[in-house]
Amino acid sequence: DTEVTQTPKHLVMGMTNKKSLKCEQHMGHRAMYWYKQKAKKPPELMFVYSYEKLSINESVPSRFSPECPNSSLLNLHLHALQPEDSALYLCASSHPGAGGLTNEKLFFGSGTQLSVL
Amino acid sequence: GDSVTQMEGPVTLSEEAFLTINCTYTATGYPSLFWYVQYPGEGLQLLLKATKADDKGSNKGFEATYRKETTSFHLEKGSVQVSDSAVYFCALTDLFGNEKLTFGTGTRLTIIP
Repeated sequence: DTEVTQTPKHLVMGMTNKKSLKCEQHMGHRAMYWYKQKAKKPPELMFVYSYEKLSINESVPSRFSPECPNSSLLNLHLHALQPEDSALYLCASSHPGAGGLTNEKLFFGSGTQLSVL
Repeated sequence: GDSVTQMEGPVTLSEEAFLTINCTYTATGYPSLFWYVQYPGEGLQLLLKATKADDKGSNKGFEATYRKETTSFHLEKGSVQVSDSAVYFCALTDLFGNEKLTFGTGTRLTIIP
């Protein structure tokens, strides 16, 4: 199994809603990532979990709350989002960097296309 | 900080044409270099990578050579197909292991029959 599965594929939410994005992988990867991609732009890193601990938070607003309940699952909890948060949210996984040799391949899911009204 | 510069798109070519997408980088360490491809409606897939100077990555007829002297990693393919239409991202990670990919802005490629 070399897939990263993201659900839902599409999500429309109002600014007062609370919703969650889910990501799952069964490749034994211990690093998992959330990226945000606006239309016609490259992905921007939001969060990195390494061995189920948050290792990188790229100064993301607190209305985005990540969670890594176990080594296979990664969630992104959304609350009080703004219309400008509408984007494709991509999850990825990899083997974590070790001893500085971070050249491992990232496996990406197909993303959740989020629209905030 | 680290950065990646890609040629502006979109690029439109006829089937069987030769493809070059330019990529140059700036990095303080000794980066690993990647090309990722994103087909419509999908996430990114690793196309090829190179981890040290003069390495050549290759996959599906695509090639790129890590050129330290010119800080470049240009993507080439000798004969493109309609199925190669996608957005191509050049990216790097530095040797010091912050688990962070730095992407270029992407180049949209359209191949017409």
